Amino acid sequence: GENVEQHPSTLSVQEGDSAVIKCTYSDSASNYFPWYKQELGKRPQLIIDIRSNVGEKKDQRIAVTLNKTAKHFSLHITETQPEDSAVYFCAANANSGYALNFGKGTSLLVTP
Amino acid sequence: DTEVTQTPKHLVMGMTNKKSLKCEQHMGHRAMYWYKQKAKKPPELMFVYSYEKLSINESVPSRFSPECPNSSLLNLHLHALQPEDSALYLCASSRGQGTSGGLPLSFFGPGTRLTVL
Repeated sequence: GENVEQHPSTLSVQEGDSAVIKCTYSDSASNYFPWYKQELGKRPQLIIDIRSNVGEKKDQRIAVTLNKTAKHFSLHITETQPEDSAVYFCAANANSGYALNFGKGTSLLVTP
Repeated sequence: DTEVTQTPKHLVMGMTNKKSLKCEQHMGHRAMYWYKQKAKKPPELMFVYSYEKLSINESVPSRFSPECPNSSLLNLHLHALQPEDSALYLCASSRGQGTSGGLPLSFFGPGTRLTVL
């Protein structure tokens, strides 16, 4: 599938700090960008998503921004807590359809 | 019911065995998916069913055979697997394309952890 690049691969922050994870995509037809959180041994869980007709979306401590021109989108977590520690995956749908291409994941560690 | 369920949770099989993974959802979703996830890797799409018809097959080997008996059920039949097929197999569902608010993917099931000996 089309490439979704995700950075960084690991991120360590102190409790209360902010965390930012960035993704880029190559498919100009992508119009849906979800973010998933996966804790060890568990399923990926959708935490926030954004469509291409919106530039920013916020849900409590989590926000996602999208720059369609640059084909960038980012996840912002504010006031991080130890329970935010997990692997986070960004994704973009391929060709405006149903297949999701995932980034390689970011392992976030929030230390007390 | 806002859950996607999968059975079994764990499966160990030999290379000559035939087994099936099952997935069920009762959210009225018309698109269902199989993904494969290896350790420390992102999910990889295998198959997409839309309105009970196979719409995407991501060049998956024929030893994996999907089946969608009805709009709530999705099966993955396994035969003559290889040890490298050991992985977490995730089912997911979403509203169908063209429906109001249809999005590519919303909910993953808990997965079946498959080990091929």
